[in-house]
Amino acid sequence: AQTVTQSQPEMSVQEAETVTLSCTYDTSESDYYLFWYKQPPSRQMILVIRQEAYKQQNATENRFSVNFQKAAKSFSLKISDSQLGDAAMYFCAYSTGNQFYFGTGTSLTVIP
Amino acid sequence: DARVTQTPRHKVTEMGQEVTMRCQPILGHNTVFWYRQTMMQGLELLAYFRNRAPLDDSGMPKDRFSAEMPDATLATLKIQPSEPRDSAVYFCASGLALSGPPSYNEQFFGPGTRLTVL
Repeated sequence: AQTVTQSQPEMSVQEAETVTLSCTYDTSESDYYLFWYKQPPSRQMILVIRQEAYKQQNATENRFSVNFQKAAKSFSLKISDSQLGDAAMYFCAYSTGNQFYFGTGTSLTVIP
Repeated sequence: DARVTQTPRHKVTEMGQEVTMRCQPILGHNTVFWYRQTMMQGLELLAYFRNRAPLDDSGMPKDRFSAEMPDATLATLKIQPSEPRDSAVYFCASGLALSGPPSYNEQFFGPGTRLTVL
C-alpha cells in the first residue's frame, strides 16, 4: 500500500530563516511523482514544487527546493528566506498512474 | 484569471438529505478530481475523470456517493442519503493531461465546499 507520512504536524520558522519540512512515503512502484502543495488559510491548494522519481536532480522553484532521496523514500521541502506569506499548511503528495495520496500536512508558522 | 469554481461554498443539511456539489473546471482542462478533506483522514481522492470519463472512483463509498460530468464544464458530486460522517470539505481540482497518465500534471484546486451534516 502506498502511504505518505508527514511526521511534523507543526513547524515554526523565523522570518528570513530556512526551514525544512519532512515527508516519507511507502511504495513498491519505480515510476511515480512527488509534490508539495501549500494550503493557506483561504483553503486554496497551490502547487509549490514537483519531482519526477526517475530524475536524480532535486527540483527547485525560487526559494523552494526539495531533497529527494529515492532509496530512503524521503522527499523533504526546504524553504529559504522564509516570508510571512509562506505561513500555511503544507501537504506532501505522491502519485502514480491514477492514484494520488496526500500526507496529513504540516502547519508552518512564520514568526516576524 | 482562470480558476476552478465550486458551489455551494457552504452547505448545512440534515442526515438523510441529498446533497449535490458542483464544480466548474478551468476551461480547456481535461481532468477533474474530487477530494474530501477531514481532520482525521486528511485529503482523500474520491474520484477522477479524464475527458469526462470516470477513470477511478475507488476512494468513493459507492452506496451513497456518485460523481458525474454531464459536460466538459460541469462536474457533480452527489451524496444520497447524507450522513454526519460525510461532514468535510470537498475539493474539486482540474488539470490538463496531454498524454500518458496525468499523475505528473499540476492540479488546480477550487476553494472547496464545506459540508456539515447534522
